[in-house]
Amino acid sequence: GENVEQHPSTLSVQEGDSAVIKCTYSDSASNYFPWYKQELGKGPQLIIDIRSNVGEKKDQRIAVTLNKTAKHFSLHITETQPEDSAVYFCAQEGGGNKLTFGTGTQLKVEL
Amino acid sequence: GAVVSQHPSWVICKSGTSVKIECRSLDFQATTMFWYRQFPKKSLMLMATSNEGSKATYEQGVEKDKFLINHASLTLSTLTVTSAHPEDSSFYICSATYRGGRADTQYFGPGTRLTVL
Repeated sequence: GENVEQHPSTLSVQEGDSAVIKCTYSDSASNYFPWYKQELGKGPQLIIDIRSNVGEKKDQRIAVTLNKTAKHFSLHITETQPEDSAVYFCAQEGGGNKLTFGTGTQLKVEL
Repeated sequence: GAVVSQHPSWVICKSGTSVKIECRSLDFQATTMFWYRQFPKKSLMLMATSNEGSKATYEQGVEKDKFLINHASLTLSTLTVTSAHPEDSSFYICSATYRGGRADTQYFGPGTRLTVL
């Protein structure tokens, strides 16, 4: 079945530094890879996504890279701010538009 | 745009009672709605896929008679947890795909915290 591995499970960075979260997936047929940010007690919020026809996508301080050959994709956050602290989930789309989520990364941005 | 709401945001009930959770797409028509549950410090687990006017499709291991899903319109899906027990306590989250947009983009609701005493 579909499986998404996500690393690291926790990540602490100093304000202003960059943060990188990596995911590896198993379903080679998947073409859509979203990233979600979840704050405590809230639902996930889509922050960026990438489709397999591109290798990289950027939106201000957030970027995602995709390597379909290696079946991994990464989230990059630059110039981190305290409000970036949250749990981040990667996901892979499978059949029926179903999403399989990674295990999550708790990001803490310290002052 | 693409706002999804859930009601209630939290609910506490006694064991054996049933609880209904509503999921609404506020500013768009949803092709499909999905229901997830999430335990503390864990990832989201898909429970079922709901399409307007048809029966929901449940994931393996999810009891369809316990988690009743009704998708009455293009903007509303409901999840009813029947005969709730303490082990059903969880964070339930719905998502919706935007009709007319890309079917693979899911927008999530704020979640409903269910506590069964």
